[in-house]
Amino acid sequence: NAGVTQTPKFQVLKTGQSMTLQCAQDMNHNSMYWYRQDPGMGLRLIYYSASEGTTDKGEVPNGYNVSRLNKREFSLRLESAAPSQTSVYFCASSLQGARNEQYFGPGTRLTVT
Amino acid sequence: RKEVEQDPGPFNVPEGATVAFNCTYSNSASQSFFWYRQDCRKEPKLLMSVYSSGNEDGRFTAQLNRASQYISLLIRDSKLSDSATYLCVVNIKSWGKLQFGAGTQVVVTP
Repeated sequence: NAGVTQTPKFQVLKTGQSMTLQCAQDMNHNSMYWYRQDPGMGLRLIYYSASEGTTDKGEVPNGYNVSRLNKREFSLRLESAAPSQTSVYFCASSLQGARNEQYFGPGTRLTVT
Repeated sequence: RKEVEQDPGPFNVPEGATVAFNCTYSNSASQSFFWYRQDCRKEPKLLMSVYSSGNEDGRFTAQLNRASQYISLLIRDSKLSDSATYLCVVNIKSWGKLQFGAGTQVVVTP
C-alpha cells in the first residue's frame, strides 16, 4: 500500500516550457487535491477533485490545468512555466471531502529559471 | 488578512519541557479544525483533529475557542522527535477547501 505517490520528485524547467506532474493514490479515495507550498506561506490549493469526473478551481488556479484521469490518478499541468511557479507541489487525497484526513504525497520540487 | 495565522516561531524547547502555541482563524463559519505536522522537506501528516470540547492524544492536547476564534496545541514532555513545523488547518465550508496556516516551528533541544 504505497499511499499517495508523485512523480517527478524534482524538476527544473525553463520559462515557457510545459510539464505534467503525476499523482496517484491506492487508498480508494474519492477526493484529490493539488497544493503548492512557498516559504512563509501555508499550503495553497490550486485545484481539487471532489470525485472522479469533477474538478474545481482552488485558491491559485491561474497557469495550471488538471485532469482526473480515473479514481486513482490526478495530474497537474503547467502549460507555459513561469518563475513564479517555482514551488513545492503536493498532491493529497481524502476519503470524501475536507472533513476527512488528507494524505499527502512526498512532493515535487519545481524550479523554473 | 490571512484566513489562518500562526506565530512562525521558532519555539526552542528543552527536552522534557512543555510548549504551547496558538493559531487564529478569521472565518467564524469554520467547521473543522486540525493540526498537521510537517518535518523538514517532507509532506504534512495529520497529527490530530480538534474537537469542540478539546482532546488529547498522548502528550498532545488540542483546544478550540470558538468565541475568540483560535485553536491551541500543547506538547508535554517534549521529545527530540517532536521537532517539526506544526500546521494549523481549518475547514471553512462543509465541503472542499482547507485553509492552512504557514506553520509554527518547534525545535526541541537536548
